[in-house]
Amino acid sequence: GIQVEQSPPDLILQEGANSTLQCNFSDSVNNLQWFHQNPWGQLINLFYIPSGTKQNGRLSATTVATERYSLLYISSSQTTDSGVYFCAVAPSGLTFGKGTHLIIQP
Amino acid sequence: EPEVTQTPSHQVTQMGQEVILRCVPISNHLYFYWYRQILGQKVEFLVSFYNNEISEKSEIFDDQFSVERPDGSNFTLKIRSTKLEDSAMYFCASSVSSGNTIYFGEGSWLTVV
Repeated sequence: GIQVEQSPPDLILQEGANSTLQCNFSDSVNNLQWFHQNPWGQLINLFYIPSGTKQNGRLSATTVATERYSLLYISSSQTTDSGVYFCAVAPSGLTFGKGTHLIIQP
Repeated sequence: EPEVTQTPSHQVTQMGQEVILRCVPISNHLYFYWYRQILGQKVEFLVSFYNNEISEKSEIFDDQFSVERPDGSNFTLKIRSTKLEDSAMYFCASSVSSGNTIYFGEGSWLTVV
């Protein structure tokens, strides 16, 4: 099946810093989503982005489908950004990466 | 904003008991999914359901698992005889079509003792 690799696995930053999270996948996809899992376990949709670039406030994402990678950018980090960020891809049912565990320190 | 709702939020059951987890997908969505996440691990796909039948399932989804859409709104996951290793967060999800955004519920945390 399709493989999804996320990097880095862990990231610790000071409040106000910027970060880039990467997702690489092994095959063509028709769906790519980024999620934030908060400390209560909820999976929050950030982006549906099988290709192209999108922005939502301090967050933006870019997927280069031909190169099989996606990037999630977080600018001016806040402590509430802490949690695990998952990339998930599909030809059909979503396959998740192992996530990037982000800690934003005040 | 419409959302996927799941019940119960947390269930504790004895090993060998049957468990039914319930979900109400977003009303105009046609594709339904179950995923699970063992504590500290990644989210894993279990099954997708469309047009009243399973469209895809993973190797995790063995004969102990079944899904059903008993009426026009609910979508259920049944685990026939629970094992300790079934302890996990179970997420229901839905989408308008197979290539669109998949929306997740808040999860049902199952603890098997």
